[in-house]
Amino acid sequence: EADIYQTPRYLVIGTGKKITLECSQTMGHDKMYWYQQDPGMELHLIHYSYGVNSTEKGDLSSESTVSRIRTEHFPLTLESARPSHTSQYLCASSHPGGAPPEGQFFGPGTRLTVL
Amino acid sequence: GESVGLHLPTLSVQEGDNSIINCAYSNSASDYFIWYKQESGKGPQFIIDIRSNMDKRQGQRVTVLLNKTVKHLSLQIAATQPGDSAVYFCAETPSSNTGKLIFGQGTTLQVKP
Repeated sequence: EADIYQTPRYLVIGTGKKITLECSQTMGHDKMYWYQQDPGMELHLIHYSYGVNSTEKGDLSSESTVSRIRTEHFPLTLESARPSHTSQYLCASSHPGGAPPEGQFFGPGTRLTVL
Repeated sequence: GESVGLHLPTLSVQEGDNSIINCAYSNSASDYFIWYKQESGKGPQFIIDIRSNMDKRQGQRVTVLLNKTVKHLSLQIAATQPGDSAVYFCAETPSSNTGKLIFGQGTTLQVKP
């Protein structure tokens, strides 16, 4: 089983608060990703990183930001949470060699609710 | 833009029957495809993958079929069990080998006892 962790698992917070969603992996993967997923819907890539000090915006525009100071850690921050940010946020990492053969391994997700 | 879609949002099968979940993709340059299973409250779990130079790959109780001519991918689950109940996503990665995945909309598999 993949060793990728996300905290918190559930977060209910008021509008305007700053939040940071944590993601850590112990597999030494260079590539890490953040996805946003509404219930029952597909995953949309919002951020990715190919290694330390590398971060890129994904296909879905997001007001969140990310940082990659250490290989194992890829936190996502929302400076001012809004109800439109309510969603599930999934972190993933992949084999250093690229997509094959193992694909991406996912964490359990953080379900965020902004009131 | 690029997209990966699934034909049916929900599939209901009897326990013990075989299940077939379908996926249509649009990027003919994609060279790697993955099926994921997502149970309620969990992140997606890797099931099986296939490269574009193959048309079939088998795992334990699962088979993935790839038809590049019509850009179609399917997941077959043999002897479906209640534990197979979940949402299934197909995903593709373009040949640029960025590691980025494009996900389809998901099919919910319901297994009736």
